[in-house]
Amino acid sequence: GAVVSQHPSWVICKSGTSVKIECRSLDFQATTMFWYRQFPKQSLMLMATSNEGSKATYEQGVEKDKFLINHASLTLSTLTVTSAHPEDSSFYICSATGTGRATDTQYFGPGTRLTVL
Amino acid sequence: AQKVTQAQTEISVVEKEDVTLDCVYETRDTTYYLFWYKQPPSGELVFLIRRNSFDEQNEISGRYSWNFQKSTSSFNFTITASQVVDSAVYFCALSDLIYNFNKFYFGSGTKLNVKP
Repeated sequence: GAVVSQHPSWVICKSGTSVKIECRSLDFQATTMFWYRQFPKQSLMLMATSNEGSKATYEQGVEKDKFLINHASLTLSTLTVTSAHPEDSSFYICSATGTGRATDTQYFGPGTRLTVL
Repeated sequence: AQKVTQAQTEISVVEKEDVTLDCVYETRDTTYYLFWYKQPPSGELVFLIRRNSFDEQNEISGRYSWNFQKSTSSFNFTITASQVVDSAVYFCALSDLIYNFNKFYFGSGTKLNVKP
């Protein structure tokens, strides 16, 4: 299947700092990317959907000023957690759909574990 | 509205037992996909199966089998002769096609513990 990577795989930061997570589609053009958050022992919660070159669409209850999403190219989307606080600690997963074999399903990245001290 | 229900929060079995994970979904769409993913402790989602709404044939892949019944809106997953390596959280998901991309609706997951 298609490959999606995330970087970093884990990050620890101090409260108040900003953290950027990258999501890349390695072998297809990702016209749409999704960002999920998963708290321990819970399901994946969709945070936002972004189409290349457009502003992201955020799910209800997700602060767009807190979680900045940039989908500037067909292979890269970034999620920036601004002024992170301990309650933002979570597992963040991206997924992508797009061209070719990635047309009709989402391919998931391996996730990024964020710990805010 | 779309919704996926996995009523079993956690299941424990002894190795070599068969186990069935239940998944019930709700959708108004006639065209949709159903998925099962495995999430081991590492966190990475492992794709297991995708089934479209027009294909109700059951599927078997090794020790895994899936029973899709539109009449009861269920897409259950059975592992035969379970192994310790099957221990993970399993998610059922539904996707529909909106404006040329698929939005996923995940169930709450079922944690499977397979004891030796």
